[in-house]
Amino acid sequence: DAGVIQSPRHEVTEMGQEVTLRCKPISGHNSLFWYRQTMMRGLELLIYFNNNVPIDDSGMPEDRFSAKMPNASFSTLKIQPSEPRDSAVYFCASIGGPHEQFFGPGTRLTVL
Amino acid sequence: GDSVTQMEGPVTLSEEAFLTINCTYTATGYPSLFWYVQYPGEGLQLLLKATKADDKGSNKGFEATYRKETTSFHLEKGSVQVSDSAVYFCALSDAIGGGADGLTFGKGTHLIIQP
Repeated sequence: DAGVIQSPRHEVTEMGQEVTLRCKPISGHNSLFWYRQTMMRGLELLIYFNNNVPIDDSGMPEDRFSAKMPNASFSTLKIQPSEPRDSAVYFCASIGGPHEQFFGPGTRLTVL
Repeated sequence: GDSVTQMEGPVTLSEEAFLTINCTYTATGYPSLFWYVQYPGEGLQLLLKATKADDKGSNKGFEATYRKETTSFHLEKGSVQVSDSAVYFCALSDAIGGGADGLTFGKGTHLIIQP
């Protein structure tokens, strides 16, 4: 298996632009998580889905952030409009066996 | 709410030295505990886990014991190698029975091993 796939790996955009991050979980995994990593705040859970349904989005910072999972093999995290403080590495993870999350390589977002 | 506290880094050691990275947690229930490792430019990888009190997780020479009485899950390795240089994250999950739940992470400890 290719593991969790994220795209793009790097994204540089200007303030105010829309940004869409993509994730393909491992086939057969039915839970998917989005995390954000910054130097100041470390790793934060943004939202997670079970069987394509959002379960807990309490970590989503504000209305500018939205996430969808239209099917079991694809999820998006959208930021509109983006701001410089959104600059971070965004990780997607899916859950396999009990308690084990598999992480993607991350998308490094820079908002100028 | 749940929280994880781990020692600040960077931690710099010489090759073959003994490693301890401290981790303590606060949780409302009986969490599962994890150590993840992140190599430069990569995502996190599960290093080891323990799901109940007194369990010892081990992998690649690393060990950690779930201590409920001290709410700790310290990571240890007897002899570190240069290839162990990475960022190490302690984490917990309150999910019951292995079900899905987000992880609560510590801030991470950057480990640097010098030849």
